[in-house]
Amino acid sequence: QVQLQESGPGLVKPSQTLSLTCTVSGGSISSGFYYWSWIRQPAGKGLEWIGQIYTSGSTNYNPSLKSRVTISVETSKNQFSLKLSSVTAADTAVYYCAGEFSDWGQGTLVTVSS
Amino acid sequence: QTVVTQEPSLTVSPGGTVTLTCASSTGAVTSDYYPNWFQQKSGQAPRALIYSTSKKHSWTPARLSGSLLGGKAALTLSGVQPEDEADYYCLLYYGGAWVFGGGTKLTVL
Repeated sequence: QVQLQESGPGLVKPSQTLSLTCTVSGGSISSGFYYWSWIRQPAGKGLEWIGQIYTSGSTNYNPSLKSRVTISVETSKNQFSLKLSSVTAADTAVYYCAGEFSDWGQGTLVTVSS
Repeated sequence: QTVVTQEPSLTVSPGGTVTLTCASSTGAVTSDYYPNWFQQKSGQAPRALIYSTSKKHSWTPARLSGSLLGGKAALTLSGVQPEDEADYYCLLYYGGAWVFGGGTKLTVL
């Protein structure tokens, strides 16, 4: 199993861009899992798939978020990242990164508030 | 919009057997939906249990099994133990996009 750790600001202002990074350890991001995912969970609610990036660099996004989401990978740092633009309070959630859906990070809470 | 439906809650006695199901608004769930199952305990990250309908991770207890049942994906827990009390989520693949079910709260009582 690889280990994943999310990092980034815990507080983002409305209309700004949420940026998170997932650092992968215990394995190479370019030769481990076939794809890497972002998932979120508002407090007391269910899981929502945000999107994924393949080792080839191609991406798939949740259609409901597609216009605001960008997922990228930085192979040299063994990291992949999430950017979500024009955030509102509805984007407040715990954000998880995962290797395929096998190994998960512990999650990081992002609150959208002024 | 595609909706994946799970039982909101189920209760099972210790030592008993329970089956959780996962239905798709698009029709019958098949292996082409690559059903995944996850367990989430309070305050913790989800833990993967099953992928591709019935394949187990190395850490998945033998008493858990995944299958297709009556047009739905299913997760069966046999010999239920108190530590199985948790929320369970299914995940289905729709040709480039994934959709989680709303989750089942399993109570062991």
